[in-house]
Amino acid sequence: DAGITQSPRHKVTETGTPVTLRCHQTENHRYMYWYRQDPGHGLRLIHYSYGVKDTDKGEVSDGYSVSRSKTEDFLLTLESATSSQTSVYFCAISDAGSTGDEQFFGPGTRLTVL
Amino acid sequence: QQQVKQSPQSLIVQKGGIPIINCAYENTAFDYFPWYQQFPGKGPALLIAIRPDVSEKKEGRFTISFNKSAKQFSLHIMDSQPGDSATYFCAASYQTGANNLFFGTGTRLTVIP
Repeated sequence: DAGITQSPRHKVTETGTPVTLRCHQTENHRYMYWYRQDPGHGLRLIHYSYGVKDTDKGEVSDGYSVSRSKTEDFLLTLESATSSQTSVYFCAISDAGSTGDEQFFGPGTRLTVL
Repeated sequence: QQQVKQSPQSLIVQKGGIPIINCAYENTAFDYFPWYQQFPGKGPALLIAIRPDVSEKKEGRFTISFNKSAKQFSLHIMDSQPGDSATYFCAASYQTGANNLFFGTGTRLTVIP
């Protein structure tokens, strides 16, 4: 998985609790992305980062925040998890932000919010 | 609102058959169209990609056909094998400074031996 790890790989939590997912890369790629994958929707971009401390919103950012204090780490936080945030979350990285630059995906985190 | 529409949702073919997966888009600003392959429990991986200045691209047994005027593109898998059984996603992106990908809803392909 191109030097990308995600932790935890599985998590079950309760509605209203905060949750943080971590993406760690060893490729020194500048761009990092968080997607969620749901049946009937494919993958949808939540947030992305184009450098340390530089982040922006994606298509489905409501209820999520992100932080990137180091090149290698990109954190996704659900401040107060809801059942609608039950999903599989994928981190991706790319070396440059231009179209045609391949995005490499991590192994995913399966999150269940009860 | 799904920016890239993908069909069919699932597909079953015999070994050696040629499954075809179709995608359509509306945003003419899209200028890059990749296909991703995903096996159960894994992240998606880039399979093949095309830009709108060509009508076809082939890599091994995988071919993308692109129809710019119809705003449609499709993936063909020649001589399909059981190992091709996976979920396939089409996607599209345009230059926003971050190469944000818009994905189709996915097609689960099963190749029967």
